[in-house]
Amino acid sequence: DIQMTQSPSSLSASVGDRVTITCRASQGINNYLNWYQHKPGKAPKLLIYDASNLETGVPSRFSGSGSGTDFTFTISSLQPEDIATYYCQQYDNLPPTFGQGTRLEIK
Amino acid sequence: EVQLVESGGGLVQPGGSLRLSCAASGFTFSSYAMSWVRQAPGKGLEWVSAIGGSGDSTYYADSVKGRFTISRGNSKNTLYLQMNSLRAADTAVYYCAKSYTIIRNWGQGTLVTVSS
Repeated sequence: DIQMTQSPSSLSASVGDRVTITCRASQGINNYLNWYQHKPGKAPKLLIYDASNLETGVPSRFSGSGSGTDFTFTISSLQPEDIATYYCQQYDNLPPTFGQGTRLEIK
Repeated sequence: EVQLVESGGGLVQPGGSLRLSCAASGFTFSSYAMSWVRQAPGKGLEWVSAIGGSGDSTYYADSVKGRFTISRGNSKNTLYLQMNSLRAADTAVYYCAKSYTIIRNWGQGTLVTVSS
Protein backbone atom coordinates (compact mmCIF):
# COMPACT_ATOMS: atom_id res chain seq x y z
CA ASP A 1 0.00 0.00 0.00
CA ILE A 2 1.13 3.57 -0.63
CA GLN A 3 1.77 5.41 2.61
CA MET A 4 0.84 9.09 2.81
CA THR A 5 2.78 11.10 5.37
CA GLN A 6 1.20 14.44 6.19
CA SER A 7 2.75 17.22 8.23
CA PRO A 8 2.27 18.86 10.55
CA SER A 9 -0.31 16.84 12.47
CA SER A 10 -1.65 20.03 14.02
CA LEU A 11 -1.24 23.70 13.32
CA SER A 12 -2.26 26.88 15.09
CA ALA A 13 -2.41 30.09 13.05
CA SER A 14 -3.99 33.53 13.12
CA VAL A 15 -6.72 34.87 10.87
CA GLY A 16 -5.08 36.19 7.72
CA ASP A 17 -2.01 33.94 7.99
CA ARG A 18 -0.70 31.86 5.13
CA VAL A 19 -0.96 28.18 6.06
CA THR A 20 0.92 25.33 4.39
CA ILE A 21 0.47 21.57 4.81
CA THR A 22 2.68 18.99 3.15
CA CYS A 23 1.99 15.44 2.07
CA ARG A 24 4.61 12.91 0.99
CA ALA A 25 3.82 9.64 -0.75
CA SER A 26 5.92 6.53 -0.25
CA GLN A 27 6.19 6.21 -4.05
CA GLY A 28 5.31 8.29 -7.08
CA ILE A 29 1.57 8.78 -7.53
CA ASN A 30 1.31 10.55 -10.88
CA ASN A 31 -0.34 13.60 -9.31
CA TYR A 32 -3.38 11.53 -8.33
CA LEU A 33 -3.58 13.46 -5.09
CA ASN A 34 -6.62 15.13 -3.54
CA TRP A 35 -7.14 17.39 -0.53
CA TYR A 36 -10.25 17.31 1.68
CA GLN A 37 -11.56 19.49 4.48
CA HIS A 38 -13.38 17.74 7.33
CA LYS A 39 -15.34 19.48 10.04
CA PRO A 40 -16.76 17.61 13.06
CA GLY A 41 -20.18 16.11 12.40
CA LYS A 42 -20.01 16.94 8.71
CA ALA A 43 -19.14 15.03 5.57
CA PRO A 44 -15.63 15.58 4.20
CA LYS A 45 -15.44 18.15 1.41
CA LEU A 46 -13.22 17.95 -1.66
CA LEU A 47 -11.12 21.09 -2.09
CA ILE A 48 -8.33 20.20 -4.53
CA TYR A 49 -8.14 17.29 -6.97
CA ASP A 50 -5.26 15.96 -9.05
CA ALA A 51 -2.77 17.90 -6.97
CA SER A 52 -3.57 21.41 -8.16
CA ASN A 53 -7.10 21.68 -9.51
CA LEU A 54 -9.50 23.76 -7.45
CA GLU A 55 -12.89 22.10 -7.07
CA THR A 56 -15.84 24.11 -8.35
CA GLY A 57 -17.22 26.48 -5.74
CA VAL A 58 -14.18 26.32 -3.46
CA PRO A 59 -12.68 29.73 -2.55
CA SER A 60 -9.52 30.67 -4.39
CA ARG A 61 -7.56 31.10 -1.15
CA PHE A 62 -7.15 27.32 -1.25
CA SER A 63 -4.50 25.91 -3.57
CA GLY A 64 -2.42 22.81 -4.14
CA SER A 65 0.85 22.04 -5.83
CA GLY A 66 3.46 19.35 -6.20
CA SER A 67 4.25 16.30 -8.24
CA GLY A 68 5.72 12.82 -7.93
CA THR A 69 5.89 12.18 -4.21
CA ASP A 70 5.82 15.64 -2.61
CA PHE A 71 2.72 17.81 -2.44
CA THR A 72 1.70 21.05 -0.75
CA PHE A 73 -1.66 22.47 0.26
CA THR A 74 -1.92 26.20 0.99
CA ILE A 75 -4.49 28.54 2.44
CA SER A 76 -3.33 32.00 1.38
CA SER A 77 -5.26 33.93 4.04
CA LEU A 78 -6.75 31.90 6.87
CA GLN A 79 -10.40 32.57 7.67
CA PRO A 80 -12.29 31.55 10.82
CA GLU A 81 -14.46 29.14 8.83
CA ASP A 82 -11.36 27.23 7.71
CA ILE A 83 -11.01 25.58 11.11
CA ALA A 84 -11.12 21.88 10.31
CA THR A 85 -8.96 18.84 9.77
CA TYR A 86 -7.38 18.53 6.33
CA TYR A 87 -6.48 15.26 4.62
CA CYS A 88 -4.52 14.35 1.53
CA GLN A 89 -5.54 11.21 -0.37
CA GLN A 90 -3.86 9.31 -3.18
CA TYR A 91 -5.72 7.21 -5.72
CA ASP A 92 -2.91 6.14 -8.01
CA ASN A 93 -3.00 2.63 -6.56
CA LEU A 94 -5.62 0.62 -4.73
CA PRO A 95 -6.23 0.88 -1.88
CA PRO A 96 -6.73 4.63 -1.94
CA THR A 97 -4.99 5.96 1.15
CA PHE A 98 -5.31 9.08 3.25
CA GLY A 99 -2.75 11.03 5.17
CA GLN A 100 -3.20 11.04 8.92
CA GLY A 101 -4.72 14.53 8.86
CA THR A 102 -3.72 18.04 9.90
CA ARG A 103 -5.84 19.67 12.57
CA LEU A 104 -5.97 23.40 11.98
CA GLU A 105 -6.79 25.75 14.85
CA ILE A 106 -7.08 29.50 15.22
CA LYS A 107 -4.46 31.12 17.42
CA GLU B 1 -28.40 17.30 -6.59
CA VAL B 2 -26.48 14.22 -5.47
CA GLN B 3 -27.70 12.80 -2.17
CA LEU B 4 -26.26 9.88 -0.22
CA VAL B 5 -28.10 8.78 2.91
CA GLU B 6 -26.64 6.06 5.12
CA SER B 7 -28.60 3.91 7.54
CA GLY B 8 -28.17 0.77 9.58
CA GLY B 9 -25.60 1.85 12.14
CA GLY B 10 -25.95 1.09 15.81
CA LEU B 11 -24.56 -0.77 18.79
CA VAL B 12 -23.46 -4.36 18.26
CA GLN B 13 -21.52 -6.81 20.40
CA PRO B 14 -18.06 -8.05 19.41
CA GLY B 15 -18.41 -10.91 16.96
CA GLY B 16 -21.78 -9.63 15.79
CA SER B 17 -23.03 -8.50 12.40
CA LEU B 18 -24.55 -5.37 10.94
CA ARG B 19 -25.60 -4.28 7.46
CA LEU B 20 -25.23 -0.70 6.38
CA SER B 21 -27.23 0.80 3.53
CA CYS B 22 -26.73 3.94 1.48
CA ALA B 23 -29.62 5.31 -0.55
CA ALA B 24 -28.39 7.30 -3.53
CA SER B 25 -30.20 9.85 -5.66
CA GLY B 26 -29.51 12.66 -8.08
CA PHE B 27 -27.24 10.73 -10.45
CA THR B 28 -27.19 7.58 -12.58
CA PHE B 29 -26.24 5.20 -9.79
CA SER B 30 -25.22 2.24 -11.95
CA SER B 31 -22.68 4.37 -13.84
CA TYR B 32 -20.48 5.05 -10.82
CA ALA B 33 -18.21 3.10 -8.55
CA MET B 34 -19.10 3.56 -4.90
CA SER B 35 -17.14 3.16 -1.72
CA TRP B 36 -17.25 3.15 2.06
CA VAL B 37 -14.86 5.24 4.14
CA ARG B 38 -14.75 5.23 7.93
CA GLN B 39 -13.43 7.37 10.75
CA ALA B 40 -12.79 5.81 14.13
CA PRO B 41 -13.11 8.08 17.19
CA GLY B 42 -10.15 10.44 17.35
CA LYS B 43 -8.62 8.95 14.20
CA GLY B 44 -8.33 9.89 10.55
CA LEU B 45 -10.19 8.78 7.45
CA GLU B 46 -9.75 5.17 6.35
CA TRP B 47 -10.99 3.75 3.08
CA VAL B 48 -12.84 0.47 3.68
CA SER B 49 -14.21 -0.93 0.44
CA ALA B 50 -15.26 -0.09 -3.11
CA ILE B 51 -17.42 -1.62 -5.83
CA GLY B 52 -17.63 -1.02 -9.53
CA GLY B 53 -20.74 0.33 -11.19
CA SER B 54 -21.99 -3.05 -12.35
CA GLY B 55 -21.06 -4.73 -9.09
CA ASP B 56 -18.62 -7.13 -10.76
CA SER B 57 -15.50 -5.65 -9.16
CA THR B 58 -15.04 -5.31 -5.44
CA TYR B 59 -12.09 -4.11 -3.38
CA TYR B 60 -11.36 -4.22 0.36
CA ALA B 61 -8.91 -2.83 2.84
CA ASP B 62 -6.80 -5.55 4.44
CA SER B 63 -8.31 -4.66 7.82
CA VAL B 64 -11.79 -5.83 6.74
CA LYS B 65 -11.05 -8.43 4.05
CA GLY B 66 -12.89 -11.66 4.72
CA ARG B 67 -15.25 -10.03 7.23
CA PHE B 68 -17.00 -7.29 5.24
CA THR B 69 -18.88 -7.62 1.94
CA ILE B 70 -19.80 -4.70 -0.27
CA SER B 71 -22.69 -5.00 -2.70
CA ARG B 72 -25.15 -2.84 -4.57
CA GLY B 73 -28.70 -2.96 -5.83
CA ASN B 74 -28.73 -0.84 -8.94
CA SER B 75 -32.48 -1.20 -9.38
CA LYS B 76 -32.90 0.28 -5.91
CA ASN B 77 -30.06 2.82 -6.16
CA THR B 78 -28.67 1.44 -2.93
CA LEU B 79 -25.19 0.52 -1.72
CA TYR B 80 -24.67 -2.00 1.07
CA LEU B 81 -21.95 -3.06 3.47
CA GLN B 82 -22.42 -6.35 5.26
CA MET B 83 -20.17 -6.40 8.30
CA ASN B 84 -19.54 -9.71 10.09
CA SER B 85 -17.24 -10.73 12.94
CA LEU B 86 -17.19 -7.17 14.17
CA ARG B 87 -14.41 -6.00 16.45
CA ALA B 88 -14.00 -3.02 18.77
CA ALA B 89 -11.56 -1.61 16.22
CA ASP B 90 -14.43 -1.40 13.70
CA THR B 91 -16.14 1.26 15.84
CA ALA B 92 -16.38 4.30 13.59
CA VAL B 93 -18.56 6.62 11.59
CA TYR B 94 -19.06 4.97 8.20
CA TYR B 95 -19.44 7.24 5.18
CA CYS B 96 -20.90 6.26 1.84
CA ALA B 97 -19.02 7.92 -1.03
CA LYS B 98 -19.53 8.31 -4.77
CA SER B 99 -16.37 6.97 -6.35
CA TYR B 100 -13.11 5.94 -4.66
CA THR B 101 -10.78 8.14 -6.70
CA ILE B 102 -11.89 11.78 -6.58
CA ILE B 103 -14.68 11.76 -3.97
CA ARG B 104 -16.93 14.75 -4.59
CA ASN B 105 -19.97 13.41 -2.81
CA TRP B 106 -20.22 11.92 0.66
CA GLY B 107 -23.07 10.91 2.92
CA GLN B 108 -23.40 12.33 6.42
CA GLY B 109 -22.25 9.07 7.97
CA THR B 110 -23.70 6.43 10.25
CA LEU B 111 -22.14 5.45 13.57
CA VAL B 112 -21.25 1.85 14.28
CA THR B 113 -20.29 1.02 17.86
CA VAL B 114 -18.89 -2.41 18.67
CA SER B 115 -19.00 -2.97 22.40
CA SER B 116 -20.21 -5.43 24.99
